[in-house]
Amino acid sequence: KQEVTQIPAALSVPEGENLVLNCSFTDSAIYNLQWFRQDPGKGLTSLLLIQSSQREQTSGRLNASLDKSSGRSTLYIAASQPGDSATYLCAPLSSGSARQLTFGSGTQLTVLP
Amino acid sequence: DAGITQSPRHKVTETGTPVTLRCHQTENHRYMYWYRQDPGHGLRLIHYSYGVKDTDKGEVSDGYSVSRSKTEDFLLTLESATSSQTSVYFCAISDLAASTDTQYFGPGTRLTVL
Repeated sequence: KQEVTQIPAALSVPEGENLVLNCSFTDSAIYNLQWFRQDPGKGLTSLLLIQSSQREQTSGRLNASLDKSSGRSTLYIAASQPGDSATYLCAPLSSGSARQLTFGSGTQLTVLP
Repeated sequence: DAGITQSPRHKVTETGTPVTLRCHQTENHRYMYWYRQDPGHGLRLIHYSYGVKDTDKGEVSDGYSVSRSKTEDFLLTLESATSSQTSVYFCAISDLAASTDTQYFGPGTRLTVL
């Protein structure tokens, strides 16, 4: 059974800082890994998807890396802004017919102006 | 944004009553999913569907049933609601591209069982 851990659980930084969110997973048999953002009381927004054959994926100020063999992914946010404040979730997609996402508990990010 | 709607968005009901939540998509995606989100547990898969009338159980399926009679609609039913089913329920959809398979989520339904 896939298990996903995200560290830290919460993070508070001043505006402008670069930061790294960590995600680890136990089963390396995955199709891909997604990073999501969730604002309070809202649904999930997909930020980045890294295929199992890729090492990195970038979108604007966001960069996600994947080391499938070691079961780790990181989300790098450059030049953080107050609007980045949200909970960030990582979710590997398991191989096989079920195609299930398994979610971590998330990192709650607060960027202070 | 992917065309996914959920109804109702909020519901308060009493223990023992049946409840049906609806997920509707306009993307013609084959896969549809129901998750619940609870503090301390994150999002957990309840049931999913891989086509019309094709469904399977997820991690926390006990007490829930689903039906999919049309591509665009996926219904989640609590036959007899319990307080432990108080949660936020999310529907998601995806296409079939495997390695590039992205799941898109609806806005959620907040269910309170008294």
